[in-house]
Amino acid sequence: DVKVTQSSRYLVKRTGEKVFLECVQDMDHENMFWYRQDPGLGLRLIYFSYDVKMKEKGDIPEGYSVSREKKERFSLILESTSTNQTSMYLCASTPKGRARNEQFFGPGTRLTVL
Amino acid sequence: KNQVEQSPQSLIILEGKNCTLQCNYTVSPFSNLRWYKQDTGRGPVSLTIMTFSENTKSNGRYTATLDADTKQSSLHITASQLSDSASYICVVSEGGKLTFGTGTRLQVTL
Repeated sequence: DVKVTQSSRYLVKRTGEKVFLECVQDMDHENMFWYRQDPGLGLRLIYFSYDVKMKEKGDIPEGYSVSREKKERFSLILESTSTNQTSMYLCASTPKGRARNEQFFGPGTRLTVL
Repeated sequence: KNQVEQSPQSLIILEGKNCTLQCNYTVSPFSNLRWYKQDTGRGPVSLTIMTFSENTKSNGRYTATLDADTKQSSLHITASQLSDSASYICVVSEGGKLTFGTGTRLQVTL
């Protein structure tokens, strides 16, 4: 079974703090994604990566950056958190290839910024 | 702008009853449509995938339909169980780009 794990299930941070969210997948998938999920808005793509050292902006990259130093690990970085970044963050991975690929999601990290 | 709209937003049904969730999309060109189930506090998990040429696909008590002409899909749940309580998300693929619906939250009660 594909397993995607995320470093934290719940995080509470104060405005201005730096946050690292880590995602690890164990199925040798090339593609990895970070989404945020907010009520009434659905999942929105923040960043994605098709290979090590590669990254592409999604639909809402502002305020975020990413790092992919190893194939299995994709990190989301919030350099200086703000209250509007309170959200559920979901990581996903897929094998190489595109249109038909099922996204395998991690359990999510619920981030609250006070 | 490509959109995926789901209805209803939320639904409460009694255990054992059937229900149907709707998904309308404007995504073009269309590659495929997936239904995901998301349990509370968990990530979404794929239930079915449908391509342009498929009208109906079943996965146990879940049956998805697709009308590519009217750009509508439905997910029918038969003989609901308490474990069906979750959010159901419709996702449409346009090439490699995914557009997510906002989901339908289903609650199955005794």
